[in-house]
Amino acid sequence: KAGVTQTPRYLIKTRGQQVTLSCSPISGHRSVSWYQQTPGQGLQFLFEYFSETQRNKGNFPGRFSGRQFSNSRSEMNVSTLELGDSALYLCASSLAGDGTKTQYFGPGTRLLVL
Amino acid sequence: AQSVTQLDSQVPVFEEAPVELRCNYSSSVSVYLFWYVQYPNQGLQLLLKYLSGSTLVKGINGFEAEFNKSQTSFHLRKPSVHISDTAEYFCAVSLSGSARQLTFGSGTQLTVLP
Repeated sequence: KAGVTQTPRYLIKTRGQQVTLSCSPISGHRSVSWYQQTPGQGLQFLFEYFSETQRNKGNFPGRFSGRQFSNSRSEMNVSTLELGDSALYLCASSLAGDGTKTQYFGPGTRLLVL
Repeated sequence: AQSVTQLDSQVPVFEEAPVELRCNYSSSVSVYLFWYVQYPNQGLQLLLKYLSGSTLVKGINGFEAEFNKSQTSFHLRKPSVHISDTAEYFCAVSLSGSARQLTFGSGTQLTVLP
């Protein structure tokens, strides 16, 4: 079974631009979560989607948004990019929306904002 | 809100020696506990998890962890490490019964020396 895939793997943008990252979960997984990883702040939860609905959101500004499609694929969007948005963005999928099922992480998208 | 503290940011150890990576958490409600490993330029891989039941949890690659409720700890151990265990290790918690939102510690870089 294919793992979680994220595209693109690497991205360079300039301040003020916007970016869309994509995540394809493991087949059959309906829950998708997004995390931001930076050297300074570590791993931080962005949001979680289950059956196309955002169920939980971390403490990030409104410039960070996401959505989930009927096939469980998810996208996250960052508008008006800032230098501090440079990070590794990780997507994780799991079978169900509760806390007992393992979250499987993708390889991440590394975003560099210049 | 819950929080996770990984007391050691870096742990060097010689090959075939035992290792313990420390993790303490804080939460006013029941939590699930996890250890993930991250190899360079990769996503996170689950080593083991504690949901309930036996406090000694065995995971992949010979790792195990013990949940200690009174000390709010979930330390990770391996009796004999290999060069290939060199990686960053993250302890994480999620609230039991809630939607998927992992709170991570700051990570411990384990370096196995020949």
